[in-house]
Amino acid sequence: ETAVFQTPNYHVTQVGNEVSFNCKQTLGHDTMYWYKQDSKKLLKIMFSYNNKQLIVNETVPRRFSPQSSDKAHLNLRIKSVEPEDSAVYLCASSPWGFNQDTQYFGPGTRLLVL
Amino acid sequence: LAKTTQPPSMEAYEGQEVNVSCSHTNIATSEYIYWYRQVPHQGPQFIIQGYKDYVVNEVASLFISADRKLSTLSLPWVSLRDAAVYYCIVTDLYYAQGLTFGLGTRVSVFP
Repeated sequence: ETAVFQTPNYHVTQVGNEVSFNCKQTLGHDTMYWYKQDSKKLLKIMFSYNNKQLIVNETVPRRFSPQSSDKAHLNLRIKSVEPEDSAVYLCASSPWGFNQDTQYFGPGTRLLVL
Repeated sequence: LAKTTQPPSMEAYEGQEVNVSCSHTNIATSEYIYWYRQVPHQGPQFIIQGYKDYVVNEVASLFISADRKLSTLSLPWVSLRDAAVYYCIVTDLYYAQGLTFGLGTRVSVFP
């Protein structure tokens, strides 16, 4: 049963364009995350958000920025995409405090930069 | 954060039991062991977590050695749907900086 929703599923764009990906969770969780999964299938944390506050930024390039309107939504904006940004971007959520590492993931948004 | 080592791949036939091992020799006393799996075109899915001894749920069981340096995820009676990449992650329960995924173990299931 899907409880973390991501849109779009797939996006193709050209170098230099701006893109935005949406993520919504219906689990009532307090913390949301963005991960990047590259072509080698390595999953890396990019951001985590708790109660609208950024609590982790894993030294991702400045062109990436998370945007949150409430604790159920965490969007990802890429200001000027580069070819190396081609990847699958996965959104996740978890409760705060104990068990916060039990994360629930969305299906991902696949980005292709031409 | 402790580093984990898993076999890169495993194979099994439907109905067999699959045991995926994970070495975490530098695990800290504050860290727990999590297992996730990922099937193609989906995000990772939480399977089970544990701290010591033996944990079981409706999906899998987890055995953790007495010194906590080795854990084994056991999948009883695998089906084709269990074909996935299985990730062992060691993390502090309160260390809210996201999960560190390795390359995992690719489990292939044959009919």
